[in-house]
Amino acid sequence: AQSVTQLDSQVPVFEEAPVELRCNYSSSVSVYLFWYVQYPNQGLQLLLKYLSGSTLVKGINGFEAEFNKSQTSFHLRKPSVHISDTAEYFCAVSGYSSASKIIFGSGTRLSIRP
Amino acid sequence: DAGVIQSPRHEVTEMGQEVTLRCKPISGHDYLFWYRQTMMRGLELLIYFNNNVPIDDSGMPEDRFSAKMPNASFSTLKIQPSEPRDSAVYFCASSFQGGPYEQYFGPGTRLTVT
Repeated sequence: AQSVTQLDSQVPVFEEAPVELRCNYSSSVSVYLFWYVQYPNQGLQLLLKYLSGSTLVKGINGFEAEFNKSQTSFHLRKPSVHISDTAEYFCAVSGYSSASKIIFGSGTRLSIRP
Repeated sequence: DAGVIQSPRHEVTEMGQEVTLRCKPISGHDYLFWYRQTMMRGLELLIYFNNNVPIDDSGMPEDRFSAKMPNASFSTLKIQPSEPRDSAVYFCASSFQGGPYEQYFGPGTRLTVT
């Protein structure tokens, strides 16, 4: 079974500052990793995903994440945030099987201050 | 494509009433997921279907909840009788294949049980 821990429930940052949202996972088998974003009053949408290959994954809206197998982490970063990045961000994990469920973390609320 | 469609967007009902939430997945997707989101419990997977067949309903809270998928383009989640603790946002998502494939979320149904 897999599990995901998002270490920060809320992260406030100033506009144009860098941000890192932390995610750690636990699994006895190899996994796929995801970051989803939920804007206010909307459903979730995929930001990026790691399946294999390069450990640095680039996603939409200037976000990127780095898979670190030894530390079982998949932290999300952006070098300069905008007001429009205000949202809740969910880290998620799934097993390799097509029947595997995606397990979502508890979410991190990113609030951007002008 | 119109994306995943959910109806109604908002539902207010009294305790004890039956509630039916509806979902139309993206055409061609063969997996359909029902999630519930609350402040206290975060995002929970209730049940998912593959090719209209329920695969895992271990997340369904109790017998008051039931879900059906009579065909590839329609699913319902029913709560009978409803209780105030069922108040939440219910999301439907669909994907082309399971596991690592992106799930596309609908806008959600906000259910309030008074």
